[in-house]
Amino acid sequence: EVQLVESGGGLVKPGGSLRLSCAASGFTLNNYIMNWVRQTPGKGLEWVSSISNIGSYIYYADSVKGRFTISRDNSKNSLYFQMSSLRAEDTAIYYCATGKGGYQIDYWGQGTLVTVSS
Amino acid sequence: DIQMTQSPSSLSASVGDRVTITCRASQGIGSNLAWFQQKPGNAPKSLIYAASSLQSGVPPRFSGSGSGTDFTLTISSLQPEDFATYYCQQYNISPFTFGPGTNVDFK
Repeated sequence: EVQLVESGGGLVKPGGSLRLSCAASGFTLNNYIMNWVRQTPGKGLEWVSSISNIGSYIYYADSVKGRFTISRDNSKNSLYFQMSSLRAEDTAIYYCATGKGGYQIDYWGQGTLVTVSS
Repeated sequence: DIQMTQSPSSLSASVGDRVTITCRASQGIGSNLAWFQQKPGNAPKSLIYAASSLQSGVPPRFSGSGSGTDFTLTISSLQPEDFATYYCQQYNISPFTFGPGTNVDFK
């Protein structure tokens, strides 16, 4: 059974940094593209970043480009999201997600809440 | 960037109703479209991929159709557990944009 478990969320001040992790189990990570999707409480879903199976291709939404960095360690079955220069508008639940083919999403983690506030 | 729109933004329906939600892409995306269901306090759940392929375990009352720019999600007979918000997403080209969502609530 595919499982994705995010961690690392919390309260951080504007301008601060945070690193999210996603632990994957039930499948071999190096066969899958991985994604981060976020959701502001009470609002819709926003795709923020994707990384190809061995990290050759990386994509970011304009809203996080230059501030956030996606990475993966297939040997540890883990996905990461280094977030810097955080802003209030980055406050959201961050979901780790993956899929069986291309950039489609089939599986979601339960999410981790990031709150940016002074 | 490809913009995704959904209509309606919300609808009220009764158990047993046939419900159709439309998703439109601002440019052609082939069949690279997915549908998700989300209930309050829960992570999204994947329903359909490749515009019309049902995810494993999803009831057959859900169906998807379309290609290019116009897509639909149909629930043939709405059940109590189907009251939720539904999102489409294109994964043809980055940024992999989501639609704004359609809230299905009880009439």
